[in-house]
Amino acid sequence: GAVVSQHPSWVICKSGTSVKIECRSLDFQATTMFWYRQFPKQSLMLMATSNEGSKATYEQGVEKDKFLINHASLTLSTLTVTSAHPEDSSFYICSARDRSRVEEKLFFGSGTQLSVL
Amino acid sequence: GQNIDQPTEMTATEGAIVQINCTYQTSGFNGLFWYQQHAGEAPTFLSYNVLDGLEEKGRFSSFLSRSKGYSYLLLKELQMKDSASYLCAARSSWGKLQFGAGTQVVVTP
Repeated sequence: GAVVSQHPSWVICKSGTSVKIECRSLDFQATTMFWYRQFPKQSLMLMATSNEGSKATYEQGVEKDKFLINHASLTLSTLTVTSAHPEDSSFYICSARDRSRVEEKLFFGSGTQLSVL
Repeated sequence: GQNIDQPTEMTATEGAIVQINCTYQTSGFNGLFWYQQHAGEAPTFLSYNVLDGLEEKGRFSSFLSRSKGYSYLLLKELQMKDSASYLCAARSSWGKLQFGAGTQVVVTP
C-alpha cells in the first residue's frame, strides 16, 4: 500500500528556534499534501493545503508566516514552524492524496510530536 | 461550512458489537471516510462511502445516507486491539477532509 514518511517523529526545542518537518510520499506522486495539527484528545485540524509548485493555501486563523510550507517536488512537502513557542507544542501530521486510486484516499505520515520548552 | 458530530466515547465488551454514529453538514459533500487512530499515532484508513448504503469489510462495516447527512461505523466481534479513537471525516467537493472530534472506543474484557 501507499506509504507516507514523516520525519522527525518527535522533536524538543527551545523557544524561539525553528523546526522543520518533512513529509514524503514514497511510492506515489502527491500533487497535494495536507498538514494537520492535533492537540491531546482533540480532532485533527487542517492547517494548510500544500500544492506542488505553488503557494500553500492556509486555513483561517493559521499564520502563514509562522508555519512555512514548501512543496518543491511531487514527493516532498515541508512544514517549518518558525520562532516556535510553547503554545506551538502539538502533534503535527501530514497526509498525501493518491489520485491514482478511485477513492483518492489520504495516506497519513506517522506524525511529529513537537515540544517547545 | 462544515460540521461533523460523533459521540465522545463508547464502551463495549470483547466480542460485542458497537455502532459509532456520525452526522455531518458539508458544503459540496464528496465522500465520507472512517479512520482508526491509536494514541500518539497517525490515523489509518478504514472505509470510504460516497453512495448510500452499507459497505462491509471484514469485521468493520460502514453505512451512509446522503439525504440524512448520516453515517455509522459498525465494529463486530470486538477485540481488545480495537480500543482506539475512530474518526469520521467528510470530504467536500474541493477535496478538503473535515474530521470529527473522534469517538474513543474502550473494549473491556
